[in-house]
Amino acid sequence: DAGVIQSPRHEVTEMGQEVTLRCKPISGHDYLFWYRQTMMRGLELLIYFNNNVPIDDSGMPEDRFSAKMPNASFSTLKIQPSEPRDSAVYFCASTTGLGPLSFGPGTRLTVT
Amino acid sequence: GENVEQHPSTLSVQEGDSAVIKCTYSDSASNYFPWYKQELGKGPQLIIDIRSNVGEKKDQRIAVTLNKTAKHFSLHITETQPEDSAVYFCAASMGNDYKLSFGAGTTVTVRA
Repeated sequence: DAGVIQSPRHEVTEMGQEVTLRCKPISGHDYLFWYRQTMMRGLELLIYFNNNVPIDDSGMPEDRFSAKMPNASFSTLKIQPSEPRDSAVYFCASTTGLGPLSFGPGTRLTVT
Repeated sequence: GENVEQHPSTLSVQEGDSAVIKCTYSDSASNYFPWYKQELGKGPQLIIDIRSNVGEKKDQRIAVTLNKTAKHFSLHITETQPEDSAVYFCAASMGNDYKLSFGAGTTVTVRA
């Protein structure tokens, strides 16, 4: 089992640029979550999907953030335009709903 | 929404001693309480979890206790080893809602 796969692992971009983070959940997992981790706010849930459908996006901070899940094996989190306060580690996680949440290694985003 | 508080924020223990981390939660409907360990540069990894129909669960050197009346749960690590040094997070959610609310984390340092 390869676990949850995220790319890129590190992203450095300039303010105003578009950023796209990618996630491949564990095969067979039908729930997918996007979390953001910062020193100030800890681990925050941004959005989660069930069977590719967004269920709760109340944690998405602003309209600059959007997430999609076009199929069961791929999801993206996009920030457009990016701002320095978006700098954080973004985690993707997945579960079957019966088992525990499995996290990916994260994408460290730095916006200058 | 659910609010999870975690104490202490940092914990330093001598190798071989025990470590205890405590969490409280606000929503009495929460019934799933996992604990995650996060090592530097990695995503959180589940180490143990407990559901509300169980008061205590043990896995080798790790144990979790739950007091639903008081709405608190604790992680106990016995015979600590240097590899136990990491950040530990508690979390809570309702059974039919896979949204985990995380505590702020405890940085555990095991001194050799």
